[in-house]
Amino acid sequence: GQNIDQPTEMTATEGAIVQINCTYQTSGFNGLFWYQQHAGEAPTFLSYNVLDGLEEKGRFSSFLSRSKGYSYLLLKELQMKDSASYLCAVRGRYNFNKFYFGSGTKLNVKP
Amino acid sequence: ETGVTQTPRHLVMGMTNKKSLKCEQHLGHNAMYWYKQSAKKPLELMFVYNFKEQTENNSVPSRFSPECPNSSHLFLHLHTLQPEDSALYLCASSGGGGDSYNEQFFGPGTRLTVL
Repeated sequence: GQNIDQPTEMTATEGAIVQINCTYQTSGFNGLFWYQQHAGEAPTFLSYNVLDGLEEKGRFSSFLSRSKGYSYLLLKELQMKDSASYLCAVRGRYNFNKFYFGSGTKLNVKP
Repeated sequence: ETGVTQTPRHLVMGMTNKKSLKCEQHLGHNAMYWYKQSAKKPLELMFVYNFKEQTENNSVPSRFSPECPNSSHLFLHLHTLQPEDSALYLCASSGGGGDSYNEQFFGPGTRLTVL
């Protein structure tokens, strides 16, 4: 089966840095995605990793280690608007259109 | 309209009703998806269509019936649902349109309540 694990909830302070971890065990791997979902809204794409290492996009960075089945999303200079759920998703190896999602990490940013 | 749109945004139905959810994408994508999102659970993939052909049915009960008349439109027909089917139903699309990762673009969802 497919297993994607993320912490359920995290709290951090405005201006700080937070790291949201994701571990996965899947029968195949063809890329890992991070999405942001504000309450009552659609998930929106944040980042993509398929090779090991760090991808940086402004205040957001995402890291992947395929050998460890591990990724993290790093959010710097936290803002109140970053309060949202962050979803980790793995794409299946043999079906380019099959994605496995974690339960999401709800991030609360406090002043 | 841009992106992925879904109608209705909210739906309340009885267990004997028949209703349909509609999704439309304006991104030139080839693949469309239905997901179910319940509180504190992972997004559950229900169906995938690629170039109008169904490529994935994730053991979804037959009371959910998808329809994809073309690459831009996707429907989910609902009949004799159960209260546990109450959830947010999200539509997504991916592929083509110049995006390089095949990331998914999601619609705002339909909040379904089954009484």
